[in-house]
Amino acid sequence: QLQLQESGPGLVKPSETLSLTCTVSGGSISSSSYYWGWIRQPPGKGLEWIGSIYYSGSTYDNPSLKSRVTISVDTSKNQFSLKLSSVTAADTAVYYCATHKSYSSDWYLDYWGQGALVTVSS
Amino acid sequence: DIQMTQSPSSLSASVGDRVTITCRASHTISSYLNWYQQKPGKAPKLLIYAASTLQSGVPSRFSGSGSGTDFTLTISSLQPEDFATYYCQQSYTTLPLTFGGGTKVEIK
Repeated sequence: QLQLQESGPGLVKPSETLSLTCTVSGGSISSSSYYWGWIRQPPGKGLEWIGSIYYSGSTYDNPSLKSRVTISVDTSKNQFSLKLSSVTAADTAVYYCATHKSYSSDWYLDYWGQGALVTVSS
Repeated sequence: DIQMTQSPSSLSASVGDRVTITCRASHTISSYLNWYQQKPGKAPKLLIYAASTLQSGVPSRFSGSGSGTDFTLTISSLQPEDFATYYCQQSYTTLPLTFGGGTKVEIK
């Protein structure tokens, strides 16, 4: 069974870059069966999909964030990462990593990390 | 983007009640509709995918229905562990995936 764990700084200054890593266990990030994604949730609010990546490096990003988002994969460490540039207070959220199956046209998120709260503040 | 609208935004119910939550898409999404349960401080948990398919391990009191633009999540007999917030999510258009605003189910 896949397990995902987010890690990274909990506090980021405005205008800087938010960086998070998701470590995958119980399976290989090089599996052709999965996409690896990021979702965020501002405090007390709903869910927003940020983007997803395939082990080959192909990415799918939310157009609303696309210019600020970089998602990458490190197969040697079984990890994938998120970078969000030029952050503001509006980027304060719990950031989740999650998976969805690549062989399904229905992108449902079946495994999730526990989430990492990132606060943007000076 | 496809907008997902859930109703109600919150509801109060008692243990044993039948609960229905509605999700409406701004454009037709066929059956590309998924439901999640989220408890405070926890990650969302997949309940139902493809509008009506129960995820493995999810109790059978949960069911989903609908296609096109109108979908329903039903809990046939509400249990204490079901008090949570429920979200729908469409994947008909993957750029971007979008979620409904959530429905909080509270104890009456």
